[in-house]
Amino acid sequence: EAGVTQFPSHSVIEKGQTVTLRCDPISGHDNLYWYRRVMGKEIKFLLHFVKESKQDESGMPNNRFLAERTGGTYSTLKVQPAELEDSGVYFCASSAARGQEYDEQYFGPGTRLTVT
Amino acid sequence: AQSVTQLGSHVSVSEGALVLLRCNYSSSVPPYLFWYVQYPNQGLQLLLKYTSAATLVKGINGFEAEFKKSETSFHLTKPSAHMSDAAEYFCAVRLFGNEKLTFGTGTRLTIIP
Repeated sequence: EAGVTQFPSHSVIEKGQTVTLRCDPISGHDNLYWYRRVMGKEIKFLLHFVKESKQDESGMPNNRFLAERTGGTYSTLKVQPAELEDSGVYFCASSAARGQEYDEQYFGPGTRLTVT
Repeated sequence: AQSVTQLGSHVSVSEGALVLLRCNYSSSVPPYLFWYVQYPNQGLQLLLKYTSAATLVKGINGFEAEFKKSETSFHLTKPSAHMSDAAEYFCAVRLFGNEKLTFGTGTRLTIIP
């Protein structure tokens, strides 16, 4: 079974440009999460999808970030326009359907975003 | 709101020595607690989890952690370090009914041959 995949693995862009990160969750997983780690700091929650709906987007830093999940499958996270402080590693995770006491979140390898 | 504190951003131990990585949490209600490991160029992998069952939790690769409510701690241990344990380790907390994980800042473990 394929794990969570993310593309690209690394992106270098200039301030003011646009970048789109993609996440493909494990097949059949309804829950999809985005997290971000700014260098030297903790991994922070950004948002949570249940299928195609945003369940919790309390961690999104500002309106320069737009997340979508088309048809409840893969997800994209667009940053427009990018700022220097957006640099970091963006992780995607997925988990199975809700209703269970605990659903393990499986993480992808992350996308390292560098804004210069 | 919950939070996680990991003491020591870098820990070095000799091969064969005890590994102890510290994690303290704050939460208004009993949480779920996790340890994740990240090897170079890989995603986070779940090492072990506490979900209100046994307080001593055994995980993969010989790691274990003990939930101590009185100390609000969930320290990670391994009796004998192996070179392959070199990685970054993250403690995380999650509240029942809330899906998001709250992470600590991570501890990078170096094994000295």
